[in-house]
Amino acid sequence: QQQVKQSPQSLIVQKGGISIINCAYENTAFDYFPWYQQFPGKGPALLIAIRPDVSEKKEGRFTISFNKSAKQFSLHIMDSQPGDSATYFCAAIDAGGTSYGKLTFGQGTILTVHP
Amino acid sequence: EAGVTQFPSHSVIEKGQTVTLRCDPISGHDNLYWYRRVMGKEIKFLLHFVKESKQDESGMPNNRFLAERTGGTYSTLKVQPAELEDSGVYFCASSQVYGTGELFFGEGSRLTVL
Repeated sequence: QQQVKQSPQSLIVQKGGISIINCAYENTAFDYFPWYQQFPGKGPALLIAIRPDVSEKKEGRFTISFNKSAKQFSLHIMDSQPGDSATYFCAAIDAGGTSYGKLTFGQGTILTVHP
Repeated sequence: EAGVTQFPSHSVIEKGQTVTLRCDPISGHDNLYWYRRVMGKEIKFLLHFVKESKQDESGMPNNRFLAERTGGTYSTLKVQPAELEDSGVYFCASSQVYGTGELFFGEGSRLTVL
């Protein structure tokens, strides 16, 4: 079964708008939640990450909101730009597991920002 | 500094043939991972090397897949014999320190099995 569910599958936003991508997880052992950004023809690259002891983390125009009780987290992209057009993956890690690099990914969201 | 490099970028083979994918991690990175994305689905973990040792291979689909990392440098992932469902993009990633959470991914090797 899919342990991290991501929505929407695709998202179209106008330049300057807010992009919001949501993820939900089941495994309460997850304790680190990174977001990866992937441009066409490239590999995923770490964008921003959060640990469950904080409810929000902001880096520039990118913000993660985390709701531990609901087991949900989301990525907000403020003032979205055409250069933000990419596929975004949420992920989760069980740091107590056998492999810290064993990411469990969501299905991905294709974001298109129109100029 | 060179990133993670993967070869080939795209491979098209017939069902039943063998394919070997190669990954060169970032120099000095002891941790090397293989992931796979089947069309439209999530990226899934395959296995994790620490230097030349397999730390976790719980994601390997079956015994048609063989991963090696001789000498703790580059890694190969061999699929033999390939099946239609093996088609997808195979990503390699590496990290320097166990526990940082940041993986550096290569551009992937797209495998098409006809």
